[in-house]
Amino acid sequence: DIQMTQSPSSLSASVGDRVTITCRASQGISNYLAWYQQKPGKVPKLLIYGASTLQSGVPSRFSGSGSGTDFTLTISSLQPEDVATYYCQKYNSAPPLTFGGGTKVEIK
Amino acid sequence: EVQLVESGGGLVQPGGSLRLSCTASGFSISDNHMNWVRQAPGKGLEWVSVLYSDGSTYYADSVKGRFTISRDISKNTLYLHMNSLRPEDTAVYHCARDYYATGFQHWGQGTLVTVSS
Repeated sequence: DIQMTQSPSSLSASVGDRVTITCRASQGISNYLAWYQQKPGKVPKLLIYGASTLQSGVPSRFSGSGSGTDFTLTISSLQPEDVATYYCQKYNSAPPLTFGGGTKVEIK
Repeated sequence: EVQLVESGGGLVQPGGSLRLSCTASGFSISDNHMNWVRQAPGKGLEWVSVLYSDGSTYYADSVKGRFTISRDISKNTLYLHMNSLRPEDTAVYHCARDYYATGFQHWGQGTLVTVSS
């Protein structure tokens, strides 16, 4: 099975900072990579699919890149409302449709 | 409006069984890939199972042989039959719609399953 490894597991940054989260697949998954945001006590929300396509309604400060095994989620200017845990997931490929371990983003 | 509503969670003893339901509205589950995802308290997301639109099913290794995913198209409802439950199955269980290969766009609020004696 393909493993999805996220790093870092947590980070603390200041408002306005550029934040980067990485996700690595143990084997190539083309661009079948999605990113989710989960705020405390809330249901996960799809941010990006196809590695780089922004879901409708998601602020443009979020962006995704990568293909194959290495992927990145970037928040260009961190806002207080971005405090959440972020997960990557391989999807639209052979199961299991594994999630990464998550990255908790906090404000410094 | 697309909506997913789970039910059926509760407290069950180790070795027991439970059936979760996910009633969908705003779309037909038969035309979509439907999933169960769980989240143990304070932990990350864990994919559990998928029922593809063609009827094929797949499971995470952690639940294979114990859980069964199914659907009732007439009720537009997805199910997760859980047997031989273990304390490590304690989690909030969400159903999620894989929207035409664009990721899990729609999620239910979840139902809590607690396995404890």
